[in-house]
Amino acid sequence: QSVLTQPPSVSGAPGQRVTISCTGSSSNIGAGSDVHWYQRLPGTAPKLVIYDNYNRPSGVPDRFSASKSGTSASLAITGLQAEDEAEYFCQSLDITLSHVVFGGGTRLTVL
Amino acid sequence: QVTLKESGPALVKPSETLTLTCTVSGLSLSDSRVAVSWIRQPPGKALEWLGNIFSNGEKIYNVSLSSRLTFSKDTSNSQVVLTMTNMDPADTGTYYCARVGVVRGILMDFFDSWGQGTLVAVSS
Repeated sequence: QSVLTQPPSVSGAPGQRVTISCTGSSSNIGAGSDVHWYQRLPGTAPKLVIYDNYNRPSGVPDRFSASKSGTSASLAITGLQAEDEAEYFCQSLDITLSHVVFGGGTRLTVL
Repeated sequence: QVTLKESGPALVKPSETLTLTCTVSGLSLSDSRVAVSWIRQPPGKALEWLGNIFSNGEKIYNVSLSSRLTFSKDTSNSQVVLTMTNMDPADTGTYYCARVGVVRGILMDFFDSWGQGTLVAVSS
C-alpha cells in the first residue's frame, strides 16, 4: 500500500490528452508538500518531468503539465505520442514520516 | 552531463550484508550543492526512499531501515556506497541512486538525475 495512490494504468490514443492522478493525505500533499513527477521508460533510469507541483525541467516538452489541489495532484499529457508510453510516478514529502514518499506508479499505454 | 551508475551483486543470501556502489560523473561529491539518495523498489511495490548522504558527510536514513543502513562516500573516486546488513528476501528489488535536486542553490526534496538501477535478489 503506497502512501500516495495512483491508478495502475491509463491509456490514450495518439494526439489525445491523458491525466494521471496522485492522491495523498493531510500528512503530505494536503500539508502543503510539493509534488514531483517522474517518467520511467522501460529499461531506463527514471526521469524528472515535473518538480515543485508544476515546473518543467529544461528539455521536458510543454505537453507535460501538472497541478495540485487539496490532498491530490495530477499530471496531464497532451498531444500523446508513442514515446510517452512509460510508467509515471508521483512523489512528495510526508511530514509525519519525515521522508519522501512515492506513488505506486501508473503505466501509460499509447494505443 | 550528470550520470549515476549503480553496481553490486545481483544475488545475496539471507542474513548477508549488501554493498552497492554508486559511481557519479559530471558532479563533485564535495560540492555543497550535491547530495545523493538511495531509493529502492521491490517487485510490484512503490519506490521507497532509503536515505541521503550530503557533501559534508552527513547522512539521513529512513527510520524504518536506519539500524541496517550505512552510507559512505569516496569523493576522490566519485563514489557513494550503501551497506545494508542482515538482508532478507523482502529486501529484493531494484536499487537506485539519485542526485537530490537543487533550486537556486538550495537542496530540494526531489531527484533530478537517477541511475538505471541495479536488481538485487535475496535468496538462499
